[in-house]
Amino acid sequence: GAGVSQSPSNKVTEKGKDVELRCDPISGHTALYWYRQSLGQGLEFLIYFQGNSAPDKSGLPSDRFSAERTGGSVSTLTIQRTQQEDSAVYLCASSLEATGYEKLFFGSGTQLSVL
Amino acid sequence: EDKVVQSPLSLVVHEGDTVTLNCSYEVTNFRSLLWYKQEKKAPTFLFMLTSSGIEKKSGRLSSILDKKELFSILNITATQTGDSAVYLCAACRNNNDMRFGAGTRLTVKP
Repeated sequence: GAGVSQSPSNKVTEKGKDVELRCDPISGHTALYWYRQSLGQGLEFLIYFQGNSAPDKSGLPSDRFSAERTGGSVSTLTIQRTQQEDSAVYLCASSLEATGYEKLFFGSGTQLSVL
Repeated sequence: EDKVVQSPLSLVVHEGDTVTLNCSYEVTNFRSLLWYKQEKKAPTFLFMLTSSGIEKKSGRLSSILDKKELFSILNITATQTGDSAVYLCAACRNNNDMRFGAGTRLTVKP
């Protein structure tokens, strides 16, 4: 697609439920990042995928969080047993070595609300 | 622990004013410093800085990096209401790991 696509755009769930957030990066982009942004805060790094390398999971806040990237393209971020403090905007970004891995193209995010 | 600190956290100015936003960083294996503008949800890329003392410029925006003192500034001259946004600074490490600061919320009043 033309840009990074995330779905759903909004998700309301009950505490204790599992949620899956999806990211469809720009075609051909080998790098994919997940960030979390709480209200009024900066971007908190969660996980980074680069090609076929093992992902950098150092930012995942707990073992309730996991992410995978299938076929080097679409990524899903899964949060198990959601807690109220998980409420935030979850942003996905992708980039390409040819244009500089640092130049991230962001999706519009998923607003997660845990009641 | 790696950290990126931005100041001020928020700033209110009037159209026509000039503003300077600050970003300091302590990051291992530092490679580059980036600035992004976030108006609604998706941040958009502004600048990437890798060398000290070389100013990057785009219209009314400019930025410079000091790798000795570990900071960068983003200048906006003749501000307009459309410049109102959160400005994010990020430090990129050699392994492409990018860490963001908390951002500076700029409000430009007519």
